[in-house]
Amino acid sequence: AQTVTQSQPEMSVQEAETVTLSCTYDTSESNYYLFWYKQPPSRQMILVIRQEAYKQQNATENRFSVNFQKAAKSFSLKISDSQLGDTAMYFCASLYSNYQLIWGAGTKLIIKP
Amino acid sequence: DAGVIQSPRHEVTEMGQEVTLRCKPISGHDYLFWYRQTMMRGLELLIYFNNNVPIDDSGMPEDRFSAKMPNASFSTLKIQPSEPRDSAVYFCASSSSTGVNIYFGEGSWLTVV
Repeated sequence: AQTVTQSQPEMSVQEAETVTLSCTYDTSESNYYLFWYKQPPSRQMILVIRQEAYKQQNATENRFSVNFQKAAKSFSLKISDSQLGDTAMYFCASLYSNYQLIWGAGTKLIIKP
Repeated sequence: DAGVIQSPRHEVTEMGQEVTLRCKPISGHDYLFWYRQTMMRGLELLIYFNNNVPIDDSGMPEDRFSAKMPNASFSTLKIQPSEPRDSAVYFCASSSSTGVNIYFGEGSWLTVV
């Protein structure tokens, strides 16, 4: 079965620090996509970053970057220079050929002033 | 550029009443998804459409739930009769077949009392 695991239920860092959120997944498929979504208190689900499994280069979007280790099936999210607006739930998800998004349980990230 | 539009944003209804949630996907997107989010079960895929045709409805919890997509720009999720355990945030999302990013609406908060 395809699974996504986020082992950190909650994390807290000071503003401007760097924080890394962990995600591991399990699949036997060779072609898939990995995502990080952000869900602030408003509950809107916002796409943060995407990684194609066939690409070796780690995706980067401004302050957000990933460390994709395909052999280890690991997909962590690094947030640099964290800001108060980064406070949210962060979900890791994987997408396969059947267009099913498999979700992790989420990590609650708190940025302290 | 308008994103996925959902209505209503919030609804409180009495047990036994019919509830209809509405969604307008991003123009040009040919995949539409309905998700439900609860504290207990996290994010669950209820059903998804491709070119207005339901592809997988295995996530629909029971016959009280039904979804339609009469055209490319509109979909409904109906619950009849509603029960307190249906209380959740219901998300609509869309994607194009030429891209893999799945974009979410702001969600419909449903409370059944």
